[in-house]
Amino acid sequence: AQSVTQLGSHVSVSEGALVLLRCNYSSSVPPYLFWYVQYPNQGLQLLLKYTSAATLVKGINGFEAEFKKSETSFHLTKPSAHMSDAAEYFCAVSDPAYGGSQGNLIFGKGTKLSVKP
Amino acid sequence: NAGVTQTPKFQVLKTGQSMTLQCAQDMNHNSMYWYRQDPGMGLRLIYYSASEGTTDKGEVPNGYNVSRLNKREFSLRLESAAPSQTSVYFCASRKDRASNQPQHFGDGTRLSIL
Repeated sequence: AQSVTQLGSHVSVSEGALVLLRCNYSSSVPPYLFWYVQYPNQGLQLLLKYTSAATLVKGINGFEAEFKKSETSFHLTKPSAHMSDAAEYFCAVSDPAYGGSQGNLIFGKGTKLSVKP
Repeated sequence: NAGVTQTPKFQVLKTGQSMTLQCAQDMNHNSMYWYRQDPGMGLRLIYYSASEGTTDKGEVPNGYNVSRLNKREFSLRLESAAPSQTSVYFCASRKDRASNQPQHFGDGTRLSIL
């Protein structure tokens, strides 16, 4: 069964510093991968997705993620953090081999990002 | 652009009461989903509807029922609410069941069971 692990439930960075949020998946085949952001009292908003095209994926708000098959990772980065980036971030995976229930998204437990002035 | 609309936004229930959470999407999507979000647990799938006329259990279906009323609407019912069902509930939709499609989320219903 698919699973996704987000290392670090809380990450704190200073404004202007690099943001690195980690996501590792377990899958026998390269899956489809997604990053979502959730601002307080809101739903989840898609940041970016990897669907087997370019391994470096650019998303909204200056975020990007790199798919590394050898490391089974899809870490999210942003060169310079802004105060407005403070939110919770979720990595999600789905198996491309199937439709139906096997194509459903499996979410990590989330990483809360704090940005210090 | 409404996207996915959930009602109500907040609700407080007493143990044993019933209620239905409503969800509607205006993107002509075929697949719809109900999740619950609890601190430190991420999102867990309760039920989903891959297409109009079908529903299936997800990871945590006990205590819930769903109805895919039409292509736009997918409701979640708690027949006899329990304190363990206190959570934030999210509805989502996806263009179709293809696993490379992202899901689009509503703003959630915050439900407290006393």
